[in-house]
Amino acid sequence: AQSVAQPEDQVNVAEGNPLTVKCTYSVSGNPYLFWYVQYPNRGLQFLLKYITGDNLVKGSYGFEAEFNKSQTSFHLKKPSALVSDSALYFCAVRLYSSASKIIFGSGTRLSIRP
Amino acid sequence: GAGVSQSPSNKVTEKGKDVELRCDPISGHTALYWYRQSLGQGLEFLIYFQGNSAPDKSGLPSDRFSAERTGGSVSTLTIQRTQQEDSAVYLCASSSGGDSHYEQYFGPGTRLTVT
Repeated sequence: AQSVAQPEDQVNVAEGNPLTVKCTYSVSGNPYLFWYVQYPNRGLQFLLKYITGDNLVKGSYGFEAEFNKSQTSFHLKKPSALVSDSALYFCAVRLYSSASKIIFGSGTRLSIRP
Repeated sequence: GAGVSQSPSNKVTEKGKDVELRCDPISGHTALYWYRQSLGQGLEFLIYFQGNSAPDKSGLPSDRFSAERTGGSVSTLTIQRTQQEDSAVYLCASSSGGDSHYEQYFGPGTRLTVT
């Protein structure tokens, strides 16, 4: 079965420290990978995507993600966390062979303490 | 408008009633998605429209759920004979092909409460 997993329900980081939010996927074929963020009482916003090319992708708000094909992972990272980064983060995968299926992970709640 | 809009923002209905949720995608976006998000949970894919192609309905949880997209723009998600387990936030997203590679733009959602 094709799926995407976010193994951590919650990640807690001190402000100024680096953060990582993990995502692994299981799909056949070449995936398109995405990260979205959901701030409290706001809609989901696109952060970044990997389609092809450089495995390190840079996105909005200083976030970046690294595509690792051998480990089937697409972890979200930021060198220095801000309190304002506290939100719910979703990893998603679109199957290259499918026009429609975009599968979302269960989400990881990121909490940055001052 | 500049983004995806959804109406109503909140809907409270009695068990057994029918409800209609509306989504206005970004102008020119050919793809439209409906998702369901239960409290604090991930997104559950419901249905996908792409241009004039037959929609992908594989995510609809039961035959009480249906959706239409008129004129390739506005979409309506209908839930018949609502049940308490239908309570959730219903999210709509649109995207275009080409260089954007299916990056989705989400609406603010409709919070449905079935009492």
